[in-house]
Amino acid sequence: AQTVTQSQPEMSVQEAETVTLSCTYDTSESDYYLFWYKQPPSRQMILVIRQEAYKQQNATENRFSVNFQKAAKSFSLKISDSQLGDAAMYFCAPEYGNKLVFGAGTILRVKS
Amino acid sequence: EAGVAQSPGYKIIEKRQSVAFWCNPISGHATLYWYQQILGQGPKLLIQFQNNGVVDDSQLPKDRFSAERLKGVDSTLKIQPAKLEDSAVYLCASSSGLFSGNTIYFGEGSWLTVV
Repeated sequence: AQTVTQSQPEMSVQEAETVTLSCTYDTSESDYYLFWYKQPPSRQMILVIRQEAYKQQNATENRFSVNFQKAAKSFSLKISDSQLGDAAMYFCAPEYGNKLVFGAGTILRVKS
Repeated sequence: EAGVAQSPGYKIIEKRQSVAFWCNPISGHATLYWYQQILGQGPKLLIQFQNNGVVDDSQLPKDRFSAERLKGVDSTLKIQPAKLEDSAVYLCASSSGLFSGNTIYFGEGSWLTVV
């Protein structure tokens, strides 16, 4: 069974600073995709960023970037210039067989 | 483009009662998912449809949960009879493709409280 571990239940960051959320996963597949989703209090899951496992280059979307280490099965999310609107639950979700497997999530708090 | 629509938004029922949730995916999306998210946990897949066929229902408690997707569009998830541990948010999601890597879009969820 594929497992996803987010070892930080909760993180805090000062507005305008940088924070990194960690994620490790376990899979025997060689080709797959990895996603980070954000879930604000409204509960709707919003896609933050996507990484293709066969690409060595780390994905970037504006203030969001990943550090993907395929051999270590690590997929961390870096948020730069944090904003109050970034406060939410963040889920790491590898995709296997066209379906997402979610970690337990990390609550991100942003302090003004 | 309209997103994934779900209803009802909230439902409170007593244990042993039944409840049904409805989902309308993004137009043209072939794949539809139902996830269960218990408070404080990540979502867990209950069932995946490809058009109107079931791809994966291995984690669906079939003694009490059922789901269908008529004509490959809308879907209904039913729980009968409900148990206290069914209290959760039920998330519907859809994607356009048959292959990995396509973005999966989520609805706002249906909150269920069983008392």
